[in-house]
Amino acid sequence: ETGVTQTPRHLVMGMTNKKSLKCEQHLGHNAMYWYKQSAKKPLELMFVYSLEERVENNSVPSRFSPECPNSSHLFLHLHTLQPEDSALYLCASTPRNWDDEQYFGPGTRLTVT
Amino acid sequence: QKEVEQDPGPLSVPEGAIVSLNCTYSNSAFQYFMWYRQYSRKGPELLMYTYSSGNKEDGRFTAQVDKSSKYISLFIRDSQPSDSATYLCAGTGANNLFFGTGTRLTVIP
Repeated sequence: ETGVTQTPRHLVMGMTNKKSLKCEQHLGHNAMYWYKQSAKKPLELMFVYSLEERVENNSVPSRFSPECPNSSHLFLHLHTLQPEDSALYLCASTPRNWDDEQYFGPGTRLTVT
Repeated sequence: QKEVEQDPGPLSVPEGAIVSLNCTYSNSAFQYFMWYRQYSRKGPELLMYTYSSGNKEDGRFTAQVDKSSKYISLFIRDSQPSDSATYLCAGTGANNLFFGTGTRLTVIP
């Protein structure tokens, strides 16, 4: 595997389900990111892990919970989501910090029913 | 006011045309500027990465940054049908990173 990988690529879940998205980077980078991409809206930065320190966008609801066990793996735990959370969730990594170029994964298309 | 403003298009051009894509931004702290290309059902891929004002050229692509007017541009020369995608601009600095909404481009053979 090369670059940034994400699983699953597609996910349909009910509002009462609990699921997790997984991201893995094979680039030796030190920072990882979760983004939400909705139609006709800018990419929304949700969480940043830089050298295992977490930075979060205060507007992200608590039903989204990130986990970064090491510099290569990133998870996004989902619980009691709402239909408006349906979107493409993108993971990215950078060599050091968010001034660097972002390397994106292919995304997980999430549908909440 | 959005941190980064970008016309969503859509923009359609004939093959071989010169394409101009533009963004404006409001945050004076932005130092680094990026353009990403996103094909349907794929993640964004980096096209151009520039620091501060000036031009940067890479093949058919030229990125321009004018910090005095807070304006960033991407030019595509001799556009090809394979350039059909959504183009995202982004600015970063002082631990802030913001993207535009993206411009959807179609190059017609």
